[in-house]
Amino acid sequence: GAGVSQSPRYKVAKRGQDVALRCDPISGHVSLFWYQQALGQGPEFLTYFQNEAQLDKSGLPSDRFFAERPEGSVSTLKIQRTQQEDSAVYLCASGDLRAYEQYFGPGTRLTVT
Amino acid sequence: QKEVEQDPGPLSVPEGAIVSLNCTYSNSAFQYFMWYRQYSRKGPELLMYTYSSGNKEDGRFTAQVDKSSKYISLFIRDSQPSDSATYLCAMSALGQGGKLIFGQGTELSVKP
Repeated sequence: GAGVSQSPRYKVAKRGQDVALRCDPISGHVSLFWYQQALGQGPEFLTYFQNEAQLDKSGLPSDRFFAERPEGSVSTLKIQRTQQEDSAVYLCASGDLRAYEQYFGPGTRLTVT
Repeated sequence: QKEVEQDPGPLSVPEGAIVSLNCTYSNSAFQYFMWYRQYSRKGPELLMYTYSSGNKEDGRFTAQVDKSSKYISLFIRDSQPSDSATYLCAMSALGQGGKLIFGQGTELSVKP
């Protein structure tokens, strides 16, 4: 079956631009997570949705980062006024209600120049 | 100090060797333990998932959790060149909604 998909796969932004990253979870998965992965590091938690409710956003690094999942399916991670330190791979994962088994998408590689 | 520590390697072994990958952690609230495999420029792929202590086997892979020592391991038997990847351990605590805390990842290379 279809896995988690993310778009775009690669994004280059000039410093100060806004970007929007999309995640299409596995159909029927109620839990959706965003992680940030720096080069050579493990993923770091950003935020978590259960259906359309954002239950945990403790990992968002600043108020420039915003995530939404308005209909409980597709999610968008938006980064405003991008900075060079935002350069990373942004991973989306989805899971069932228990959420401990998470299935990851291929990621969006963001480069801020 | 990070909550989850993992030796980044790189680890190089000959084909057919038994590989041992390990993580230590400091948070005694962790109850769920996972191993992910990540190929270059791909997303992590769930390999093994264990709740609390004990062993779990799946084909050539065995996961072990020792909560008393706060130590988890992944063993790969009869390693193959296709096993060459970065292996990430991840953990979660009850009541955290599934939020995963990852180790840094160990880069493994299996030489033919």
